[in-house]
Amino acid sequence: DAKTTQPPSMDCAEGRAANLPCNHSTISGNEYVYWYRQIHSQGPQYIIHGLKNNETNEMASLIITEDRKSSTLILPHATLRDTAVYYCIVRVEGDYKLSFGAGTTVTVRA
Amino acid sequence: DAGVTQSPTHLIKTRGQQVTLRCSPKSGHDTVSWYQQALGQGPQFIFQYYEEEERQRGNFPDRFSGHQFPNYSSELNVNALLLGDSALYLCASRLYRDRAYEQYFGPGTRLTVT
Repeated sequence: DAKTTQPPSMDCAEGRAANLPCNHSTISGNEYVYWYRQIHSQGPQYIIHGLKNNETNEMASLIITEDRKSSTLILPHATLRDTAVYYCIVRVEGDYKLSFGAGTTVTVRA
Repeated sequence: DAGVTQSPTHLIKTRGQQVTLRCSPKSGHDTVSWYQQALGQGPQFIFQYYEEEERQRGNFPDRFSGHQFPNYSSELNVNALLLGDSALYLCASRLYRDRAYEQYFGPGTRLTVT
């Protein structure tokens, strides 16, 4: 699996957009970008995934650069409940496992 | 619709003992994966079961074994427990949607080995 690089931590003000970067410069053409988050003491929660087009759902937006070497997860209006560790993962379609790195610890402040 | 459920929530065992953890997948899901998450680290893939067979395995010793039942529920067994096996054990089931897989995780079982 391609490796991902994320900043270890970031702060965000409540009500503002949170932009979480992820580098995956060795991504292959058949690898998807997935984002999960893990709130303290809970299991990881699926957020969104994409291949090459930008994606949006009720939780977030995923922006993937044209060369697919990096992506940004956008939480449009961060709330205190969005405080969590966010994981960016790349995975080949059909592969079973998710390879988690250290993730980004996001702290939303009032 | 119940999500992924795991039991027990917490467990304390002694070195050398054996433990069995249980998982029921989300309704409609037929594939179960197990992950180990040590304190302060991301989850690490142990193995996945589909159609009652182990389909893929991570870098874990044979002391870690599993089983999947006809109703898709699963067990994780760990033999000869070591102190280093203390961790949160997560179960995940998956759904194929939008040409890719989404995995849904349970709340985990916190295992402490003393």
